[in-house]
Amino acid sequence: EVQLVESGGGLVQPGGSLRLSCVASGFTFSSYSMNWVRQAPGKGPEWVSYISRTSSIIHYADSVKGRFTISRDNAKNSLYLQMNSLRDEDTAVFYCVRVLKQLTDEVHFDQWGQGTLVTVSS
Amino acid sequence: EVVLTQSPATLSLSPGERATLSCRASQSVSIYLAWYQQKPGQTPRLLIYDASNRATGIPARFSGSGSGTDFTLTISSLEPEDFAVYYCQQRYIWPPVTFGGGTKVEIK
Repeated sequence: EVQLVESGGGLVQPGGSLRLSCVASGFTFSSYSMNWVRQAPGKGPEWVSYISRTSSIIHYADSVKGRFTISRDNAKNSLYLQMNSLRDEDTAVFYCVRVLKQLTDEVHFDQWGQGTLVTVSS
Repeated sequence: EVVLTQSPATLSLSPGERATLSCRASQSVSIYLAWYQQKPGQTPRLLIYDASNRATGIPARFSGSGSGTDFTLTISSLEPEDFAVYYCQQRYIWPPVTFGGGTKVEIK
C-alpha cells in the first residue's frame, strides 16, 4: 500500500520558517517525481513545487519562488519543503503528492498524503 | 499561466440523475487535463487523467471528454457517495500546474 506521511507543520509567526517532511512507503520512491500541493481553508488545491526523480529539475509556483526550497533524499524515501519568510497567505494544508506514472514528468497526481497544516499568524 | 474555469460553481441534483461538469482552459491544453473528487475532510482523489482515462479503481459511471480548451466530466447516474467537490487540473503548459476553482455537486 502506498503511503505518504507528512510532518513538520504548525503555528509560525509571519517571517518565520518551517521545514516540512514527507516519508514515502509502498512504492519505489526514486522512480517517481514528487510535488508539494497546498490547500488554503475553503479553497481549491494550489500547486507549490515539483522535483524530478534525481532532483535535476525543480520548479516552483511564483507565489513561493525565492522563499521555499524543495529537496528529496531517495536513500531515505523522503521529500522535504523548507519554507522561509512565511506570510499569512501561506496558511494552508500542505500535501506531499506523487505523480501518476513512474519514470515520467507527467504531472497528474494519483497519491496524496493526509497533509500537514501550516498556520502563519501573529 | 493557464487559467481553468469550472462551471457551474454548484450543481444541485438528485441521486440517479446525470451530472455534467465543465472545465474551460484559457488556452489549449491538448488532452492533458485531469479531474479530481474531494469530499469534506478528505484529500483529492484522481478520477480521470489525460481527458478521458479513468484512474485505477474509478467506477465506469465517471467519464471524461474534450480536448483543446473545453472539457467535460460526466457522472452517468449519481450515487450518494458522489456528492462532493470536483476540480480539473492541467499539465500541458507548466510550470505552473494549475487547478480550476471547483464545482460542488450537492444533493437537491
